[in-house]
Amino acid sequence: DGGITQSPKYLFRKEGQNVTLSCEQNLNHDAMYWYRQDPGQGLRLIYYSQIVNDFQKGDIAEGYSVSREKKESFPLTVTSAQKNPTAFYLCASSVSGTVSGGYTFGSGTRLTVV
Amino acid sequence: DQQVKQNSPSLSVQEGRISILNCDYTNSMFDYFLWYKKYPAEGPTFLISISSIKDKNEDGRFTVFLNKSAKHLSLHIVPSQPGDSAVYFCAASGTRSGNEKLTFGTGTRLTIIP
Repeated sequence: DGGITQSPKYLFRKEGQNVTLSCEQNLNHDAMYWYRQDPGQGLRLIYYSQIVNDFQKGDIAEGYSVSREKKESFPLTVTSAQKNPTAFYLCASSVSGTVSGGYTFGSGTRLTVV
Repeated sequence: DQQVKQNSPSLSVQEGRISILNCDYTNSMFDYFLWYKKYPAEGPTFLISISSIKDKNEDGRFTVFLNKSAKHLSLHIVPSQPGDSAVYFCAASGTRSGNEKLTFGTGTRLTIIP
């Protein structure tokens, strides 16, 4: 079955550490996205990539980094520069050039700073 | 600047009755709108969408209405069922402007009372 897989489901990080969240899709989608969900704030765009080896900052990119070396993979690194990293992180993908049908989302990673 | 707003954080509806979820937007470049449903600790799933060339789109128990002059859209669910209890996100995109990124609202938690 085609889909988008995020791992791990739960992640704990000590303050000052970088952590990387995995996102893999086998839908042959060109575009991939990272969103962050906080209570009462909906989904906010962190980074997105419409093609391999290219990505753009979203609305809240500070303290995050991404790479897009393969079409299937779009890992997100939460760096120590991110002041409030505790949140639910969602990865999504779509066919580039259209939003018809919307995005396909992964099941999310909950990151907690301890 | 919240370009997509869902002013009701929560809504409770009796099973079998109609649920109406509302969404307002401010960006006149938005021309494609979507509704997503999200259960806790899961990724959002696409429900229904509407293009700005239409004012209504129906899919089974779900109907989305768009009022372009008021920059307002609503999702009607009838009849409401217990499985409809979830958080609903409204999202918008400006496809004509080439901006395919989705901007999400803050969500409305719908609770269906048996």
